[in-house]
Amino acid sequence: DIQMTQSPSSLSASVGDRVTITCQASQDISNYLNWYQQKPGKAPKLLIYDASNLETGVPSRFSGSGSGTDFTFTISSLQPEDIATYYCQQYDNLPTWTFGQGTKVEIK
Amino acid sequence: QLQLQESGPGLVKPSETLSLTCTVSGGSISSSSYYWGWIRQPPGKGLEWIGSIYYSGSTYYNPSLKSRVTISVDTSKNQFSLKLSSVTAADTAVYYCASGGFAFDIWGQGTMVTVSS
Repeated sequence: DIQMTQSPSSLSASVGDRVTITCQASQDISNYLNWYQQKPGKAPKLLIYDASNLETGVPSRFSGSGSGTDFTFTISSLQPEDIATYYCQQYDNLPTWTFGQGTKVEIK
Repeated sequence: QLQLQESGPGLVKPSETLSLTCTVSGGSISSSSYYWGWIRQPPGKGLEWIGSIYYSGSTYYNPSLKSRVTISVDTSKNQFSLKLSSVTAADTAVYYCASGGFAFDIWGQGTMVTVSS
């Protein structure tokens, strides 16, 4: 089974800061990686698909990069509404999916 | 605009079977090249993919739950369903239905299921 390791598990940053989250796969998954945002009490929302493609309607301050085993999710300028938990998800062995453990983002 | 809505009992007794239904509106469950899936989230924890059914009817399950999970589709009602047998307290979670191709881009609001006697 492919394991996904996200880091950090939580972070605190100031409004306007650049925030970076990493996700590492236990084996090469090409670019078969998605990123989701989950606000408290809400369902997850797809932000990035295929490692670097921004879902329609998602603000451009969100971006993703990487391929193979190492991936990065970035918020270029943290906004108060970005407080959430972010999850990576691989689909290399479609049709099965695996989520990372999540990264909780808070405002300092 | 495709929408999903979960429904089912909020309380299930240990050793019994958890049954949930996801009603699809705004589109046909059988006419789209989508995977229709179930994901759960225990209180305070992360997301776990449970399983999916393709629009053709093929099913795919998380290996860790495979022996207890059944996902089926009812095209006449535009619904798909989850059955999880022999539940324990560890199955207490918010259960989401979701749909998409390689990513889940449409989600239901989620339904809390508690396993307790």
